[in-house]
Amino acid sequence: DTGVSQDPRHKITKRGQNVTFRCDPISEHNRLYWYRQTLGQGPEFLTYFQNEAQLEKSRLLSDRFSAERPKGSFSTLEIQRTEQGDSAMYLCASSFRQGSSGNTIYFGEGSWLTVV
Amino acid sequence: AQSVTQLGSHVSVSEGALVLLRCNYSSSVPPYLFWYVQYPNQGLQLLLKYTTGATLVKGINGFEAEFKKSETSFHLTKPSAHMSDAAEYFCAVINENGNKLVFGAGTILRVKS
Repeated sequence: DTGVSQDPRHKITKRGQNVTFRCDPISEHNRLYWYRQTLGQGPEFLTYFQNEAQLEKSRLLSDRFSAERPKGSFSTLEIQRTEQGDSAMYLCASSFRQGSSGNTIYFGEGSWLTVV
Repeated sequence: AQSVTQLGSHVSVSEGALVLLRCNYSSSVPPYLFWYVQYPNQGLQLLLKYTTGATLVKGINGFEAEFKKSETSFHLTKPSAHMSDAAEYFCAVINENGNKLVFGAGTILRVKS
């Protein structure tokens, strides 16, 4: 199996611009997660999908953020009207969840966003 | 709600010395616990996990961790540090619904030659 892949790995954007990150999970994983990590902190949960359904969103996910997983495979995370506080690494992760089993979550390499 | 506390944001050991990274958790249900490692500018790699069964869990790269329910701890150890172990380590607990990981703030391990 290939791992979780994210694109782009690095993005520098001007404040006010929109950015989009893509995540391709491990094949056949039905759950996909987005986390955000800032320097010196652990990853913070943003949202997750079970197949194509977005089941939970953190309060960290303001209305400028939107995530989709249209066909239950890859996912996109879009940030509109970026602010300097959005500068962080955005981590995607996936797992295969069936019933109460399947709790191992695998992470991608992350997408670094710098807003200038 | 689940939470994780990692004692010591920075730990420094000499090459060949014992590594001990501390993690305490809070959970209202039997916890599933994880340790991840993050090298600079990279994502998180799973080191080991505890779900049920044996409380001493062995992981990759010679690391192991012991689940101690009475102490609500899941400390990570390695008998002999190697320079390549220098990285940031995160302890995490899965929440009560099993829907997401809750991470500690991380511990940066420095290995001195």
